[in-house]
Amino acid sequence: AQSVTQLGSHVSVSEGALVLLRCNYSSSVPPYLFWYVQYPNQGLQLLLKYTSAATLVKGINGFEAEFKKSETSFHLTKPSAHMSDAAEYFCAVSFSGGYNKLIFGAGTRLAVHP
Amino acid sequence: GAVVSQHPSWVICKSGTSVKIECRSLDFQATTMFWYRQFPKQSLMLMATSNEGSKATYEQGVEKDKFLINHASLTLSTLTVTSAHPEDSSFYICSARVLTNQNTGELFFGEGSRLTVL
Repeated sequence: AQSVTQLGSHVSVSEGALVLLRCNYSSSVPPYLFWYVQYPNQGLQLLLKYTSAATLVKGINGFEAEFKKSETSFHLTKPSAHMSDAAEYFCAVSFSGGYNKLIFGAGTRLAVHP
Repeated sequence: GAVVSQHPSWVICKSGTSVKIECRSLDFQATTMFWYRQFPKQSLMLMATSNEGSKATYEQGVEKDKFLINHASLTLSTLTVTSAHPEDSSFYICSARVLTNQNTGELFFGEGSRLTVL
């Protein structure tokens, strides 16, 4: 069965510090992977996506993620956190071959403190 | 980029009334839209897949008579919460797939609609 696991429901970093949000997936077919960000009372905004091209994916706002098939991971990173990065982050997966549903992880709330 | 708009953003209603939420793709056509429900501090739960011109496909455990979905055009899907009760209070988010990206699963999300049932 396909699934997505986000390790750590809450992550707290200092402004300027490295951000690392973890995501692992389980899939029997090649996945497409996404990271979304959600600000309070808003919908989701796509940060970046992996669709079987380059394994290191760069997204908006300085975020990037690396697809590692051997580790079944797609962790999200940003070298230097900014206060405006505080939000909820969701990892999501969909599967090739016409299976169109997105499965979301439980989410990770990122707090950035001065 | 593709824009998906939801209306209303906030709605408060009395128990027993019905509430309609609209989801529009503003600058693209969407044969498929998805409706999600999000409880406070939780992830998104897929409720149903809305297909233009046909019946929606509901996820297991979602009452189709409770949550009526209509996808009458390539740019509009509606979710009607019938006979709403306080337990239906939630944040409802729609998403639409850009027509040319059917296989990648990339979705564009609306801003969400917060329903509060008194």
